[in-house]
Order: sequence, then C-alpha cells, then structure tokens
Amino acid sequence: NAGVTQTPKFRILKIGQSMTLQCAQDMNHNYMYWYRQDPGMGLKLIYYSVGAGITDKGEVPNGYNVSRSTTEDFPLRLELAAPSQTSVYFCASSYSGTADRDTQYFGPGTRLTVL
Amino acid sequence: AQSVTQLDSQVPVFEEAPVELRCNYSSSVSVYLFWYVQYPNQGLQLLLKYLSGSTLVKGINGFEAEFNKSQTSFHLRKPSVHISDTAEYFCAVSYGATNKLIFGTGTLLAVQP
Repeated sequence: NAGVTQTPKFRILKIGQSMTLQCAQDMNHNYMYWYRQDPGMGLKLIYYSVGAGITDKGEVPNGYNVSRSTTEDFPLRLELAAPSQTSVYFCASSYSGTADRDTQYFGPGTRLTVL
Repeated sequence: AQSVTQLDSQVPVFEEAPVELRCNYSSSVSVYLFWYVQYPNQGLQLLLKYLSGSTLVKGINGFEAEFNKSQTSFHLRKPSVHISDTAEYFCAVSYGATNKLIFGTGTLLAVQP
C-alpha cells in the first residue's frame, strides 16, 4: 500500500492564482482531513470528510474548498491565493471501524509559497 | 472547548539521557490522547495513543506516556534518547465521532552527542 499520497511536493503561486492540492489514500479509509502547519502553531484542521459526498469545515476553512467524489480522493482547492496561505499542507485519513480506530495516517505534505 | 498545551517549544538533551515532553489538555468531555512525531521534511507518524484502560501507554521507539486524569496531562517519556530521536513531537486530542484532532504547538527534541 502507498498509504496517503500528496501532490505536488512543492509549489510557488502568485497572489490571486488558483490551484488544487491532490490527496489520495489506498487504505479504504472513510475519514479524510486537511491540515495546515505554520511554524510554532502546530497543525490546524481546514476541512474534513466522513465519506464520499460528505464534507465539513474545520477550524480554518476560509479561502479553501474541498470535494469528495470518491472514497480514495480528497482534493483541496485554493481559489484566490493569498500570502497568508503560505504553509505546509498535510492530508490525513483514518478508519471509523474498530480496528486501529482513531489513528490518523498522514501524507508527506505539500509546501506552498504564495508571493 | 478542547485545547492542548505543550509548554516547551524546544527541549535540548544529551544522548543517552532521559527526557520528558509535557502535554496538558483541557476538555469538558472524554477525549482520546495521542503523541505524533514529525521527522524533518516528513509527515506525522503515530508514536502512541491512549483510548481507555491502563494509564501507562507504550509506543514505538521506546517511548511511553502516562495519562493523568486529575492533572489533565499526558506527558511523553523515554529513559534514554538517541540522536535519531531528534524530531518535533506533537500532542493531540480527538473527540466526537469524526476523529478530528486538535494539536498542541509541538516540542522540538534536540538530541546532542
């Protein structure tokens, strides 16, 4: 299993540009999450999904959108990039069943710079 | 509301010395507690977790943590650290049915030879 994969690894955007961060998992997890990590701030939840077609806002959703059309994929969309969105983005997944309950598995991250 | 506090942003320690990384949480409901480790330029990896049962939890790489409900703490310990333990360590709590995590701000463990 590849686990949780994220693309791209790095990206530089200009202010006002748009992009989609891709996230995929092959563990048949029903829950998926997007976090951003800023220096000294820990990780903050942006959006999460409990299954295909179901998404909800986390702690810091402004400026982002998500969709979940399949169990495997959970892309994060930035519509109008701003310097405040410069961060490292992590996707994670977990399974709501009894086995390995509550453990989130993280991707390697996408480092985004907005100039 | 739930929150997690890691008071030490950085903990320098010599190789083979013991270490304790502190974590306190606040919550009005039952929570699950986690420690994750992040090596440089990598994603997060689960070290250990407390869901219920024994308050002393053992994890990977020789780490352990003790859940103390009265002090609302979940401190991480290792009796003898190695250079390879140099990483950032995050304490987190989850609550509710969706396993959402609230993270502390992290503690950088810097192991020196």
